[in-house]
Amino acid sequence: EVQLVESGGDLVQPGGSLRLSCAASGFTFNKHTMIWVRQTPGKGLEWVSSIDGRGDSTSYPDSVRGRFTISRDNSKSTLFLQMDSLRDEDTAIFYCAKSDCETIGCKLIDYWGQGTLVTVSS
Amino acid sequence: DIQMTQSPSTLSASVGDRVTITCRASQNINRWLAWYQQKQGKAPRLLIQQGYILQGGVPSRFSGSGSGTEFTLTISSLQPDDFATYYCQHYNDYPLTFGQGTRLEIK
Repeated sequence: EVQLVESGGDLVQPGGSLRLSCAASGFTFNKHTMIWVRQTPGKGLEWVSSIDGRGDSTSYPDSVRGRFTISRDNSKSTLFLQMDSLRDEDTAIFYCAKSDCETIGCKLIDYWGQGTLVTVSS
Repeated sequence: DIQMTQSPSTLSASVGDRVTITCRASQNINRWLAWYQQKQGKAPRLLIQQGYILQGGVPSRFSGSGSGTEFTLTISSLQPDDFATYYCQHYNDYPLTFGQGTRLEIK
């Protein structure tokens, strides 16, 4: 059974940093592109970043590029999201998600974690 | 960026009804369209990929159709477990984008 368990969500001040983690199990972790998606009541679901199975290729939308960094530790089946220069509008539930295949071109999300809440507020 | 527009935003229906949700893409996405179901406080669940392929374990009352820029999700006979929010999402290219969601509520 695929399991994705996020952690690291917290209350942080604007301009601050936070690192999210996602522990994966139930599948061959290094054979799948992994993805972060966030959700807010106002903006709905927003793709945040993707990383290929080997960790060689990444992709980001303009809204987070240069502030967020996705990475992975395949030896520990763990995905990370380093978030810097956080803004009020980054407040959201962050979901870790698995794609259906290995390369950065694999963009179908077939499993989601339960999410972790990030609140950016002074 | 490709914009995904769902309609309606809210749909009121009864158990046993047939309902259809529409998703329109701002440009051609071929068949690279997924549908997700999300229940309150839970993560989304993949129902359909490539516009029409049902995921394993998804009841056959769900079906998807369409290609290019217009897609539909149909539930043939609503069951109590189906009342949830439904999202479409294109995966034609980056950036991935989602529709704003359709909340399916009990009439």
